[in-house]
Amino acid sequence: QMQLEGSGPGLVRPSETLSLTCSVSSGSVSSSSYYWAWVRQPPGKGLEWIGNMYYRGNTYYNPSLKSRVTMSVDTSNNQFSLKLSSVTGADIGIYYCARLVIGYWFDLWGQGTLVTVSS
Amino acid sequence: QSALTQPASVSGSPGQSITISCTGTSSDVGSYDLVSWYQQHPGKAPRLILYEVSKRPSGVSNRFSGSKSGNTASLTISRLQAEDEADYTCCSYASGDTLVLFGGGTKLTVL
Repeated sequence: QMQLEGSGPGLVRPSETLSLTCSVSSGSVSSSSYYWAWVRQPPGKGLEWIGNMYYRGNTYYNPSLKSRVTMSVDTSNNQFSLKLSSVTGADIGIYYCARLVIGYWFDLWGQGTLVTVSS
Repeated sequence: QSALTQPASVSGSPGQSITISCTGTSSDVGSYDLVSWYQQHPGKAPRLILYEVSKRPSGVSNRFSGSKSGNTASLTISRLQAEDEADYTCCSYASGDTLVLFGGGTKLTVL
């Protein structure tokens, strides 16, 4: 059974770049059946789609975050990554990596990484 | 594009049925049978319980069912159990630049 495990700093300074990685185990990030996605959840609020990408490099970002987001896939290390630049307090929350089926449902989720923005 | 609209909370007693609505527009819920639902217990990651409006992944109880009419999708949980107490969030594919829309989430309380 494939598993996703997110990792990265839990504390980011304002205006700096948030960097998270999701490691894929018991399966390949190069699968043609899935996108690889990031979803976040501010404290006490709902889920927000950040974006998703295909292993070949096609990326799809939430327009509200597009200017600050970069996603990438590292096939050699079987992982994918998220970078969010110029973070503010509005970026505080739990960041989930997830597997997005081509039909656009998230069928596998990582455990989530809590990110705080503070100096 | 705005988030999908869900009631903030619903409640029901054990053994009863409840329905949670998810209202979108003709650009998302109304145009595609690509609505999914997620269950999330406190401190846990979301879990897929329905996809393509009404299909259940392996291992999900048949007490969970889904439907869609026009721009509104619905999740019904029958024979409520204490373990069903959780947040439920809908999601839809959408045309345009925002490909994925989530609802705001509904907190289910089992009385």
